[in-house]
Amino acid sequence: GAGVSQSPSNKVTEKGKDVELRCDPISGHTALYWYRQSLGQGLEFLIYFQGNSAPDKSGLPSDRFSAERTGGSVSTLTIQRTQQEDSAVYLCASSLGGQAGGPQHFGDGTRLSIL
Amino acid sequence: KQEVTQIPAALSVPEGENLVLNCSFTDSAIYNLQWFRQDPGKGLTSLLLIQSSQREQTSGRLNASLDKSSGRSTLYIAASQPGDSATYLCAVTLMGGYSTLTFGKGTMLLVSP
Repeated sequence: GAGVSQSPSNKVTEKGKDVELRCDPISGHTALYWYRQSLGQGLEFLIYFQGNSAPDKSGLPSDRFSAERTGGSVSTLTIQRTQQEDSAVYLCASSLGGQAGGPQHFGDGTRLSIL
Repeated sequence: KQEVTQIPAALSVPEGENLVLNCSFTDSAIYNLQWFRQDPGKGLTSLLLIQSSQREQTSGRLNASLDKSSGRSTLYIAASQPGDSATYLCAVTLMGGYSTLTFGKGTMLLVSP
């Protein structure tokens, strides 16, 4: 498709399990971002990939969170030993890159529920 | 640390009214400001992007203004329609470095027929 694709759209898992969330950006977009949207917290930045540069991980809330981007395209966000406070909508966005790269285009997100 | 505030948190208006949503930010050293729309269960749709050197942008019934020195932006929606009902988010990119967005918590708009 033409837009940012995220999977799964919904994920319910038990506390303590690991989860993987996938993002497929728009073809040709070199920049990829992960954000988290929690009730009462708004949208917060998690991690940013730009081309082959080292990612900006400054927004990751703990070392249980990690992300990788293979081949400069698809990205996977992994949460290990999930906690109930990890319940949120995880949104991925992509853009042409850099500060002049224009607007970020968002996927529909993955709604994660930790029981 | 950049903080973005949106007022009001929620707004309910009858169809046909003109309305203004407000956004303020604490650090005026921004590269650009974006207004997004989010429908329930969906991602964000970019409505307008204003570069720091610009004062306003227009798209159809939407007009966004930027006053960087005072740290404020407004989104004006003319002749509101029920289809405009959604949450509207304001976000800024800081000058220099990466282009990550700092978001406000949004204004939830309901336009009644």
